[in-house]
Amino acid sequence: QQQVKQSPQSLIVQKGGISIINCAYENTAFDYFPWYQQFPGKGPALLIAIRPDVSEKKEGRFTISFNKSAKQFSLHIMDSQPGDSATYFCAASGGRALTFGSGTRLQVQP
Amino acid sequence: DTAVSQTPKYLVTQMGNDKSIKCEQNLGHDTMYWYKQDSKKFLKIMFSYNNKELIINETVPNRFSPKSPDKAHLNLHINSLELGDSAVYFCASSQVTSGGQGEQFFGPGTRLTVL
Repeated sequence: QQQVKQSPQSLIVQKGGISIINCAYENTAFDYFPWYQQFPGKGPALLIAIRPDVSEKKEGRFTISFNKSAKQFSLHIMDSQPGDSATYFCAASGGRALTFGSGTRLQVQP
Repeated sequence: DTAVSQTPKYLVTQMGNDKSIKCEQNLGHDTMYWYKQDSKKFLKIMFSYNNKELIINETVPNRFSPKSPDKAHLNLHINSLELGDSAVYFCASSQVTSGGQGEQFFGPGTRLTVL
């Protein structure tokens, strides 16, 4: 049972464009929603995270939009750069462990 | 000054062997985790320890046995390795605060290949 569904599986964006990755969750007990970035051969690294008491959080070029009633959240990468090319994972937690989405492979073309 | 370190980085072994992966964190965190990332990049929690106590034990074959000698270390021992155990194993740590879940810091991963 996949508790966090992520789409799309892969995404190709031109440099300077906006990358958008969407996630939906089922468990209403989740109260922490991070996004992780993973480069090949490396461990996931926290990019940005949000809690359900706010609908949006922005850090630099990265923004999380959160819709509690729809049980959905998304990552927007503005002015996408080739260095942003990586796999992105959404996740959710209601306690200790993270439940991850299936990942989105982002390619930003120069 | 690596935050979460794992050894070895690569592990190639034959079916049926027993192997261990070691993890250490120098962040002073009270909670450590093992995650498995399969060939399709899917990440799934296996175990979690808080102050040396096992708090999460997902549906994992009992051939996998975690051990936490102290708060800074969490090792993973795997008996009778099978082909399906081939994956990348990530250790992570976090500090739970009054505000809830803290950021989880991941190690660089151990790529296990079972032949």
